[in-house]
Amino acid sequence: GENVEQHPSTLSVQEGDSAVIKCTYSDSASNYFPWYKQELGKRPQLIIDIRSNVGEKKDQRIAVTLNKTAKHFSLHITETQPEDSAVYFCAAHEERALTFGSGTRLQVQP
Amino acid sequence: NAGVTQTPKFQVLKTGQSMTLQCAQDMNHNSMYWYRQDPGMGLRLIYYSASEGTTDKGEVPNGYNVSRLNKREFSLRLESAAPSQTSVYFCASSPTTGDYGYTFGSGTRLTVV
Repeated sequence: GENVEQHPSTLSVQEGDSAVIKCTYSDSASNYFPWYKQELGKRPQLIIDIRSNVGEKKDQRIAVTLNKTAKHFSLHITETQPEDSAVYFCAAHEERALTFGSGTRLQVQP
Repeated sequence: NAGVTQTPKFQVLKTGQSMTLQCAQDMNHNSMYWYRQDPGMGLRLIYYSASEGTTDKGEVPNGYNVSRLNKREFSLRLESAAPSQTSVYFCASSPTTGDYGYTFGSGTRLTVV
């Protein structure tokens, strides 16, 4: 089955700086890569996704890049704000369901 | 529009007790999932239902059973709870098992003592 590795496990940045979270996946058949944000005590919520026929996608301060050859994808957050503080999960879709990474706790220091 | 509704939100069980976690969605989605979330381990798939009438094992199915009662409802049952099943359980749904994002319920925090 699919295996997704996510790094780093924790990330602390100053407000206004950029944050980058990286994930690798094992199954070359995976074709869909969403990112979720989970605030403390809340449910995971989809923030951006990318499909295998696209190399990059942007939505305001958030962007995701995908390198299918290397089997890795990344989340980029620019101009970070305190409300960006949360746990972020990457995921990869193989045949049956999403496989999630272990999460990155992002702390944005004011 | 409630999305995905889970009950209960919190539960404490004694070892060996049984319980059923309920999940319902009102988005007319075909596919539903149960994940468990443990610190440092992300979300792990327990069972999923690609469509009404079908269920399949995920990554960590031991100790659990599921029922897809109808298109809206997908329940998770612990027959004999163990401390290792202490976790936060999330139900999710999607239009199909294809490349769609999931909508998650608010979770059930289960403690087995």
